Amino acid sequence: AQTVTQSQPEMSVQEAETVTLSCTYDTSESNYYLFWYKQPPSRQMILVIRQEAYKQQNATENRFSVNFQKAAKSFSLKISDSQLGDTAMYFCAFMKRELGFQKLVFGTGTRLLVSP
Amino acid sequence: EAQVTQNPRYLITVTGKKLTVTCSQNMNHEYMSWYRQDPGLGLRQIYYSMNVEVTDKGDVPEGYKVSRKEKRNFPLILESPSPNQTSLYFCASSSFLGNEQFFGPGTRLTVL
Repeated sequence: AQTVTQSQPEMSVQEAETVTLSCTYDTSESNYYLFWYKQPPSRQMILVIRQEAYKQQNATENRFSVNFQKAAKSFSLKISDSQLGDTAMYFCAFMKRELGFQKLVFGTGTRLLVSP
Repeated sequence: EAQVTQNPRYLITVTGKKLTVTCSQNMNHEYMSWYRQDPGLGLRQIYYSMNVEVTDKGDVPEGYKVSRKEKRNFPLILESPSPNQTSLYFCASSSFLGNEQFFGPGTRLTVL
């Protein structure tokens, strides 16, 4: 069974600074996806970024980028130029790449507070 | 607009009173799933469905039922709710070939 570990329950950063959220996972699969989801106070689950395991290049979406270390099973999220609107709970998630079967396995989350 | 809808968004009920949380998607997705979110535990899968009339248990199915009679709908049924089912519930859907799940807005359930 796959597991996802987020070891930082809470983090804080000042506006305009950079912050990195950690995530490690355990799997015997070789083909899978990794995700970071943002959950603001509205509770909506918002996909921030996705990484396909077979791609060596780290995914980037505007101010959000990941550091994907497949051998180490590590998948950290870097948020550059932090904004107040980045305040949210962030979940790391794993999904086995299997046609039609799309179970997400989530970590326990990291609560990020961005202060002025 | 492509979306997943859930109803109700908030529900307070009492132990043992049967309830149903509806989930509907308008994207013609084959795969639908229910998750519950609890503090310190993240989101855990309750049940999933790979297509009409095809459902299976996730990681925490006890106390829940589902059905998939139509492709667009995937209701979650609590036949005899208990306080330990107080949680935030999410429905999600995706296409058979997709690599992203689309989440509903969540249903906050309190069982007294």
